[in-house]
Order: sequence, then C-alpha cells, then structure tokens
Amino acid sequence: GENVEQHPSTLSVQEGDSAVIKCTYSDSASNYFPWYKQELGKRPQLIIDIRSNVGEKKDQRIAVTLNKTAKHFSLHITETQPEDSAVYFCAATPGTYKYIFGTGTRLKVLA
Amino acid sequence: DADVTQTPRNRITKTGKRIMLECSQTKGHDRMYWYRQDPGLGLRLIYYSFDVKDINKGEISDGYSVSRQAQAKFSLSLESAIPNQTALYFCATSDTGDSNQPQHFGDGTRLSIL
Repeated sequence: GENVEQHPSTLSVQEGDSAVIKCTYSDSASNYFPWYKQELGKRPQLIIDIRSNVGEKKDQRIAVTLNKTAKHFSLHITETQPEDSAVYFCAATPGTYKYIFGTGTRLKVLA
Repeated sequence: DADVTQTPRNRITKTGKRIMLECSQTKGHDRMYWYRQDPGLGLRLIYYSFDVKDINKGEISDGYSVSRQAQAKFSLSLESAIPNQTALYFCATSDTGDSNQPQHFGDGTRLSIL
C-alpha cells in the first residue's frame, strides 16, 4: 500500500551544525512533497515543498532534494539554531487530495 | 489574516458520549480535511470534502462522521466515543488546482476520552 517512511525518528545536533531528515515513498504517482514543522503544542506549518519536475529547492537555511528514481526526498537544515527544535513531517501525494505523512522526526538543537 | 479555526481546543469526556469538533476557515478554500495525530503515527486522514456536496472517507473513518455545513465549515462527530479515540485532531484546508496544493492546518483539538 501507499506509505512514507521517515528517518530518523529523533535527531540531536549541536547548534550551528547541519541536520538531514530522509523520507522514502512507495507510490511512484506522487508528484508533490511538502515538509511541515510542528512546534510543541502548535499546528503543523508548511516550511518548504518540492514538485516532481524539480530536483532541489532552497529557501535560506533549508533545502529539499528529490530523487524520483529512488523515491527518496530529504530535508536539509544548515546552521541550525535552537528555534529549529521541533517535529518535522514529510508527506507524499499519490492523488489530488491525498497526503500520506511520514511518522515525524523530533529535532533537538543543543545550544 | 485568513485562518483555520478549531473549537474546542481541549475536551475531556466519557466513553459513550457524542462529541462534535468544529472547524471554520476564512481562507476561501474549497477543500477541507480532518486528521488525527497519535504519537509515533504521524497524521492520518479521517474524512475529506472537496465542496459542500462532496464527502469522502479517509483511511480511518470508522467511528467518525462529518458534516460540511457550508464552504467555510466542516465538523467532525464521534457518535459514541471510545478511549482509543483519544488523540489530537487537526482540521486542514487547501486550495483547488490542477496540481496538489499545500494544506493549511488549524491549531488542533486535544480530545481525551475516559
């Protein structure tokens, strides 16, 4: 069935280091891949997204890469800061309405 | 700012009770969704609606029902609540387009069933 695997489930980095979160999807029909950040007690917020006709997208300190052949996509955060600490979710979209979310990565940035 | 509003934010109730969670939005989006979030399981889709006359089941619809009262309002009901429905519930909206559009979430309703 359709699923999205997300790794790691927890990630601790020192402030200033980079963080990478990886997702693998199963349905090759997926063509849109958003990433959400959820701070403690808050709603998930879209931070970056990528469509299948693009291999990489960058927005300041965050970037997303997509390998359609391998069905992998990754979130890269550089120069991490304490306010980057949150749970991050990836999603794949095998249909026009359907989001399949990963199980989340809890990122801790240590000062 | 246009937003997605959920009420109540927190609810504690007993097994067997009927509960309604409400969602309203000022984003002008046609598409609305209900998800539940459980630790370690991410977000799972309960129901979705593409317009007032369109209601569809998601992957975990058993034990839930929905009503789309207007373009801006989409409510979720638990007819007879059970403890394993204790979770964080999110409403989301998205715009209509030829390709997938970002989903915008409300603040969530934390529901505890005793």
